[in-house]
Amino acid sequence: NAGVMQNPRHLVRRRGQEARLRCSPMKGHSHVYWYRQLPEEGLKFMVYLQKENIIDESGMPKERFSAEFPKEGPSILRIQQVVRGDSAAYFCASSPPLNTEAFFGQGTRLTVV
Amino acid sequence: AQSVTQLGSHVSVSEGALVLLRCNYSSSVPPYLFWYVQYPNQGLQLLLKYTSAATLVKGINGFEAEFKKSETSFHLTKPSAHMSDAAEYFCAVRGYSGGYQKVTFGTGTKLQVIP
Repeated sequence: NAGVMQNPRHLVRRRGQEARLRCSPMKGHSHVYWYRQLPEEGLKFMVYLQKENIIDESGMPKERFSAEFPKEGPSILRIQQVVRGDSAAYFCASSPPLNTEAFFGQGTRLTVV
Repeated sequence: AQSVTQLGSHVSVSEGALVLLRCNYSSSVPPYLFWYVQYPNQGLQLLLKYTSAATLVKGINGFEAEFKKSETSFHLTKPSAHMSDAAEYFCAVRGYSGGYQKVTFGTGTKLQVIP
């Protein structure tokens, strides 16, 4: 059973471009979480999704950021018109429905130049 | 709403000394509690978890944590620090928040081990 797969591991974008971060959860996991980690800061919750539903997006910036978890395929975190402040590590975690731990991917490190 | 507080963003210990990383939580229902470790440029790896069985939980790499309901704490300990323990540690709680299950993390504690 492969772990949570995130790609790309590193992504460089120029200001104004779009960034697409992908997360394939572990097999059988229907819950996906996205977190952002800024340098010298902790993990900030962004969004919690179940298949085809956004459950909690209270941590998502109101503009430019969106997330989806379609019935088929990976979860996507999309950042439009990136700015330098978006540079961070973005982590995805997945879990099955019941009370167990979340399993993390290796993260995508976004650098905006 | 549930929350996690980690006291001390940076902790330094000498090699061989006791490691104590503090975590307090708030949750309206019996929680599930976790400690994760993050090595530089890596994702988070589960160290241990509390799921309402034994209150003293043993994890990997010699770490353990004790769930104390009266103190709403879940502190992480290791009797003797090793250089390889230098990393960032995150406490997390999973419980119901707003009608659904949610995982909430603390802000992390960076552990430095001094030779």
